[in-house]
Order: sequence, then structure tokens, then C-alpha cells
Amino acid sequence: KNEVEQSPQNLTAQEGEFITINCSYSVGISALHWLQQHPGGGIVSLFMLSSGKKKHGRLIATINIQEKHSSLHITASHPRDSAVYICAVPDSGGGADGLTFGKGTHLIIQP
Amino acid sequence: DAGITQSPRHKVTETGTPVTLRCHQTENHRYMYWYRQDPGHGLRLIHYSYGVKDTDKGEVSDGYSVSRSKTEDFLLTLESATSSQTSVYFCAIRVGTTYEQYFGPGTRLTVT
Repeated sequence: KNEVEQSPQNLTAQEGEFITINCSYSVGISALHWLQQHPGGGIVSLFMLSSGKKKHGRLIATINIQEKHSSLHITASHPRDSAVYICAVPDSGGGADGLTFGKGTHLIIQP
Repeated sequence: DAGITQSPRHKVTETGTPVTLRCHQTENHRYMYWYRQDPGHGLRLIHYSYGVKDTDKGEVSDGYSVSRSKTEDFLLTLESATSSQTSVYFCAIRVGTTYEQYFGPGTRLTVT
């Protein structure tokens, strides 16, 4: 079973700061998933990436398959970015590829 | 939102009673999943389905059963609810041949 670790667990920053959230995993994978969950809200897919970098608006995700590590960056952070960010990898043992999740990074952006 | 709905959205029930949660999708995706989300544990896989009548266990399947009699519906049943099953339950579907999953809005279940 893949072990997924995220850091930091909690992060408070000021509006406008550059944010980095890290994710590492123990078993090689072919793709990694970043998700966002607002307080009391549903879970939204941000990125699925298997190599290099992807960008969507102010969000950038990178992955290094050899080092088993991914980062999620937020540029020019805004209070509406306050949420829990979760990384997930396909379950290495399951044929239908359920996901194994990190415990999430709780981000608060203060005005 | 990939056309996923869950019902009910909130439920309070007593220990020992049976409970069924429903996940409904409108886009004929083959793979469907049930997860639970708990503080300190994050999201964990309960059961999954890879087609009609094809289901299998996940990491935390004890005390749960599932059924999928048609493509669009995936049911999660707690035969005899316990307080340890108080949680938020999310259904998800997998899109195509990628590993990307889309989640339903969740069901908050409280067992008293």
C-alpha cells in the first residue's frame, strides 16, 4: 500500500504570498491527483498529472516521478484559496485503482 | 460536477439500525467508489465497483456492504450502524482510462 505524506499539515499566510504544499509517496506511480475541499464543502479535482508541470490560473502543480514527490503552488494567494488541499495516488494494489490520500493541508489565507 | 448526486445529504440514526446511502451518476461511468472521511484519517476507500454486479472491498470495508444493480446507482449499506461509522461519506466516479476521480457532494451520517 502506498503511503502518502503531506506537509505542512497547517499553513496560515497573508494575502498575496506564494504558497507551496508538498506531497511525497512511497511506491512508484503513474499519476498523482490534487484535490481541494472548502470548509463544509465538497471535494473538487484540481489536477491529475503524471510528469512535469501543469498550470491552471494561479495554481501550479509539479511532479518528480523519480523522487516520488509533488508540489502544489499558489501564486498571489487570496482568502478564497483558504481550503484543505489533498493529494492522492492510485492504490497500488487495486485493479480498479481506488485512491490513497494524504491527510490534507489546511490552508488559511488572511486578508 | 460529473453528474453525481448522493442521498440523503444528512442523516441521524440510532445504533443498531440499518442505513443505506445512495450514489447516482448520469454519465454511465464504469468505476464507482465509496470513501469515508474522518478527522485524523483523511479519506479512506470502503468499497468500489468496476461494473454492474462487480464490486470489491477497500481498506475499511468491515461493517459495510454495497450493491450495484444498474450502472447509474451504487448503494452503500450499513447493516447495523455503530457510532464508529459516524462520518462523512463520499461517492466518486472515475473518468475514462485516467485515474482522475470526481466526487459527489457527500453525506454526513451521525450514529447516536
